Amino acid sequence: GNSVTQMEGPVTLSEEAFLTINCTYTATGYPSLFWYVQYPGEGLQLLLKATKADDKGSNKGFEATYRKETTSFHLEKGSVQVSDSAVYFCALSENSGAGSYQLTFGKGTKLSVIP
Amino acid sequence: NAGVTQTPKFQVLKTGQSMTLQCAQDMNHNSMYWYRQDPGMGLRLIYYSASEGTTDKGEVPNGYNVSRLNKREFSLRLESAAPSQTSVYFCASNRDRGNEKLFFGSGTQLSVL
Repeated sequence: GNSVTQMEGPVTLSEEAFLTINCTYTATGYPSLFWYVQYPGEGLQLLLKATKADDKGSNKGFEATYRKETTSFHLEKGSVQVSDSAVYFCALSENSGAGSYQLTFGKGTKLSVIP
Repeated sequence: NAGVTQTPKFQVLKTGQSMTLQCAQDMNHNSMYWYRQDPGMGLRLIYYSASEGTTDKGEVPNGYNVSRLNKREFSLRLESAAPSQTSVYFCASNRDRGNEKLFFGSGTQLSVL
Protein backbone atom coordinates (compact mmCIF):
# COMPACT_ATOMS: atom_id res chain seq x y z
CA GLY A 1 0.00 0.00 0.00
CA ASN A 2 0.84 3.67 -0.08
CA SER A 3 2.95 5.23 2.64
CA VAL A 4 4.62 8.51 3.50
CA THR A 5 7.73 8.84 5.63
CA GLN A 6 8.86 12.20 6.94
CA MET A 7 11.71 13.18 9.17
CA GLU A 8 11.24 12.88 12.89
CA GLY A 9 10.85 16.05 14.85
CA PRO A 10 10.82 18.24 16.63
CA VAL A 11 12.93 20.63 14.61
CA THR A 12 14.09 23.82 16.31
CA LEU A 13 15.59 26.63 14.24
CA SER A 14 16.58 30.22 14.80
CA GLU A 15 14.75 32.91 12.87
CA GLU A 16 16.11 33.38 9.32
CA ALA A 17 17.63 29.89 9.23
CA PHE A 18 17.18 27.56 6.26
CA LEU A 19 14.57 24.84 6.62
CA THR A 20 14.42 21.39 5.09
CA ILE A 21 11.89 18.76 6.11
CA ASN A 22 12.43 15.49 4.30
CA CYS A 23 9.58 13.45 2.88
CA THR A 24 9.71 10.24 0.89
CA TYR A 25 6.82 8.16 -0.34
CA THR A 26 5.82 4.74 -1.59
CA ALA A 27 3.00 4.46 -4.09
CA THR A 28 1.88 2.00 -6.71
CA GLY A 29 1.11 4.55 -9.40
CA TYR A 30 1.56 8.27 -9.98
CA PRO A 31 0.32 10.12 -6.93
CA SER A 32 -0.17 13.79 -6.27
CA LEU A 33 1.92 15.12 -3.39
CA PHE A 34 1.05 17.69 -0.74
CA TRP A 35 2.32 19.55 2.24
CA TYR A 36 -0.24 20.52 4.86
CA VAL A 37 0.48 22.80 7.83
CA GLN A 38 -1.20 22.79 11.24
CA TYR A 39 -0.79 25.91 13.35
CA PRO A 40 -1.32 25.59 17.11
CA GLY A 41 -4.95 25.01 18.01
CA GLU A 42 -6.10 24.83 14.40
CA GLY A 43 -6.93 22.24 11.76
CA LEU A 44 -4.69 21.39 8.85
CA GLN A 45 -4.40 23.73 5.87
CA LEU A 46 -3.07 22.94 2.44
CA LEU A 47 0.34 24.63 2.05
CA LEU A 48 1.35 23.47 -1.42
CA LYS A 49 0.95 20.64 -3.89
CA ALA A 50 2.49 19.05 -6.97
CA THR A 51 0.65 16.73 -9.29
CA LYS A 52 3.36 15.27 -11.52
CA ALA A 53 7.07 14.57 -11.68
CA ASP A 54 9.36 17.63 -11.65
CA ASP A 55 6.52 19.96 -10.67
CA LYS A 56 7.42 22.49 -8.01
CA GLY A 57 4.80 23.56 -5.52
CA SER A 58 5.30 26.87 -3.74
CA ASN A 59 3.46 29.08 -1.27
CA LYS A 60 4.39 31.61 1.45
CA GLY A 61 8.12 31.17 0.67
CA PHE A 62 7.94 27.38 1.00
CA GLU A 63 8.84 25.13 -1.92
CA ALA A 64 8.84 21.42 -2.67
CA THR A 65 9.76 19.59 -5.88
CA TYR A 66 8.21 16.28 -6.92
CA ARG A 67 11.16 13.96 -7.52
CA LYS A 68 9.99 10.71 -9.04
CA GLU A 69 13.48 9.22 -9.33
CA THR A 70 14.06 9.52 -5.57
CA THR A 71 10.34 9.29 -4.59
CA SER A 72 10.76 12.45 -2.55
CA PHE A 73 8.98 15.73 -1.90
CA HIS A 74 11.18 17.65 0.54
CA LEU A 75 9.87 20.93 1.96
CA GLU A 76 12.26 23.90 1.97
CA LYS A 77 12.22 27.53 3.01
CA GLY A 78 15.15 29.88 2.72
CA SER A 79 14.49 32.00 5.82
CA VAL A 80 12.03 30.88 8.48
CA GLN A 81 10.07 33.19 10.75
CA VAL A 82 8.64 32.68 14.21
CA SER A 83 5.19 32.59 12.59
CA ASP A 84 6.22 29.42 10.69
CA SER A 85 6.17 27.44 13.95
CA ALA A 86 3.68 24.65 13.28
CA VAL A 87 3.38 20.95 12.49
CA TYR A 88 3.99 20.05 8.85
CA PHE A 89 2.46 16.99 7.21
CA CYS A 90 3.51 15.44 3.95
CA ALA A 91 0.74 13.58 2.14
CA LEU A 92 -0.02 11.80 -1.09
CA SER A 93 -3.15 10.97 -2.95
CA GLU A 94 -3.65 8.38 -5.59
CA ASN A 95 -6.65 7.72 -7.76
CA SER A 96 -8.32 4.59 -6.45
CA GLY A 97 -10.72 4.33 -9.35
CA ALA A 98 -13.98 5.88 -10.48
CA GLY A 99 -12.63 9.37 -9.87
CA SER A 100 -12.07 8.85 -6.19
CA TYR A 101 -8.78 9.01 -4.37
CA GLN A 102 -7.11 7.86 -1.19
CA LEU A 103 -5.18 10.42 0.87
CA THR A 104 -2.30 9.15 2.99
CA PHE A 105 -0.57 11.38 5.57
CA GLY A 106 2.86 11.22 7.11
CA LYS A 107 3.23 11.42 10.89
CA GLY A 108 4.00 15.13 10.94
CA THR A 109 7.09 17.16 11.84
CA LYS A 110 6.87 19.84 14.50
CA LEU A 111 8.84 22.98 13.72
CA SER A 112 9.68 25.56 16.37
CA VAL A 113 11.34 28.81 15.30
CA ILE A 114 12.96 30.87 18.04
CA PRO A 115 13.72 34.59 17.79
CA ASN B 1 -16.26 32.45 6.15
CA ALA B 2 -17.03 29.69 8.68
CA GLY B 3 -15.71 26.80 6.54
CA VAL B 4 -15.79 23.59 8.59
CA THR B 5 -17.16 23.90 12.13
CA GLN B 6 -16.75 21.22 14.78
CA THR B 7 -18.29 20.97 18.21
CA PRO B 8 -17.35 20.55 20.97
CA LYS B 9 -13.73 21.70 21.11
CA PHE B 10 -12.97 19.72 24.25
CA GLN B 11 -14.67 16.75 25.91
CA VAL B 12 -13.87 14.43 28.78
CA LEU B 13 -15.74 11.12 29.02
CA LYS B 14 -15.69 8.17 31.34
CA THR B 15 -15.18 4.70 29.91
CA GLY B 16 -18.48 3.38 28.57
CA GLN B 17 -20.12 6.76 28.04
CA SER B 18 -21.42 7.75 24.64
CA MET B 19 -21.21 11.00 22.76
CA THR B 20 -21.59 12.52 19.32
CA LEU B 21 -19.13 14.87 17.65
CA GLN B 22 -20.80 17.34 15.32
CA CYS B 23 -19.41 18.72 12.09
CA ALA B 24 -20.92 21.15 9.60
CA GLN B 25 -19.55 22.79 6.47
CA ASP B 26 -20.95 25.76 4.57
CA MET B 27 -18.99 25.35 1.33
CA ASN B 28 -21.54 23.13 -0.44
CA HIS B 29 -19.02 20.29 -0.47
CA ASN B 30 -20.15 16.80 -1.42
CA SER B 31 -17.56 14.80 0.51
CA MET B 32 -16.87 14.81 4.25
CA TYR B 33 -14.40 12.93 6.43
CA TRP B 34 -13.54 12.11 10.01
CA TYR B 35 -9.89 11.69 11.02
CA ARG B 36 -8.18 11.03 14.32
CA GLN B 37 -4.76 12.41 15.15
CA ASP B 38 -2.54 10.64 17.66
CA PRO B 39 1.04 11.49 18.64
CA GLY B 40 3.52 9.83 16.31
CA MET B 41 0.72 8.41 14.15
CA GLY B 42 -0.25 11.26 11.88
CA LEU B 43 -3.84 11.40 10.69
CA ARG B 44 -5.86 8.26 10.21
CA LEU B 45 -9.19 8.13 8.40
CA ILE B 46 -12.09 6.81 10.48
CA TYR B 47 -15.06 7.18 8.13
CA TYR B 48 -15.96 9.22 5.12
CA SER B 49 -19.02 10.21 3.16
CA ALA B 50 -18.43 10.64 -0.55
CA SER B 51 -21.84 12.23 -1.03
CA GLU B 52 -25.08 12.86 0.83
CA GLY B 53 -26.67 9.56 1.76
CA THR B 54 -23.50 7.46 1.61
CA THR B 55 -20.90 6.53 4.23
CA ASP B 56 -17.89 4.22 4.09
CA LYS B 57 -15.28 2.90 6.49
CA GLY B 58 -11.79 4.26 6.53
CA GLU B 59 -8.64 2.87 8.07
CA VAL B 60 -9.76 2.74 11.73
CA PRO B 61 -13.60 2.51 11.93
CA ASN B 62 -13.98 0.14 14.91
CA GLY B 63 -15.83 1.70 17.84
CA TYR B 64 -17.36 4.50 15.77
CA ASN B 65 -20.49 5.20 13.79
CA VAL B 66 -21.30 8.09 11.50
CA SER B 67 -24.35 9.82 10.08
CA ARG B 68 -24.49 12.06 7.05
CA LEU B 69 -27.52 14.00 8.22
CA ASN B 70 -27.69 16.20 5.12
CA LYS B 71 -25.23 17.74 2.72
CA ARG B 72 -23.88 20.12 5.40
CA GLU B 73 -23.59 17.87 8.42
CA PHE B 74 -21.59 14.73 9.22
CA SER B 75 -21.56 13.44 12.78
CA LEU B 76 -19.31 10.91 14.50
CA ARG B 77 -20.66 8.82 17.37
CA LEU B 78 -18.85 6.87 20.05
CA GLU B 79 -21.37 4.41 21.48
CA SER B 80 -19.22 3.16 24.36
CA ALA B 81 -16.06 5.20 24.76
CA ALA B 82 -12.75 3.50 25.55
CA PRO B 83 -9.42 5.01 26.69
CA SER B 84 -7.94 4.00 23.32
CA GLN B 85 -10.26 6.56 21.73
CA THR B 86 -8.51 9.41 23.50
CA SER B 87 -7.37 11.51 20.57
CA VAL B 88 -7.86 14.70 18.62
CA TYR B 89 -10.63 14.34 16.05
CA PHE B 90 -10.77 16.36 12.85
CA CYS B 91 -13.61 16.73 10.42
CA ALA B 92 -12.75 17.66 6.84
CA SER B 93 -14.55 18.25 3.58
CA ASN B 94 -13.91 18.77 -0.10
CA ARG B 95 -15.90 19.35 -3.25
CA ASP B 96 -15.79 15.66 -4.17
CA ARG B 97 -13.46 12.71 -3.79
CA GLY B 98 -11.79 13.53 -7.08
CA ASN B 99 -10.83 16.95 -5.73
CA GLU B 100 -7.80 16.53 -3.59
CA LYS B 101 -7.75 19.70 -1.49
CA LEU B 102 -9.20 19.11 1.96
CA PHE B 103 -10.59 21.77 4.28
CA PHE B 104 -10.29 20.94 7.96
CA GLY B 105 -12.13 21.97 11.08
CA SER B 106 -10.21 23.08 14.17
CA GLY B 107 -10.54 19.76 15.95
CA THR B 108 -12.10 18.16 19.04
CA GLN B 109 -9.80 17.08 21.83
CA LEU B 110 -11.36 14.03 23.49
CA SER B 111 -10.13 12.36 26.65
CA VAL B 112 -11.61 9.07 27.84
CA LEU B 113 -10.79 8.22 31.43
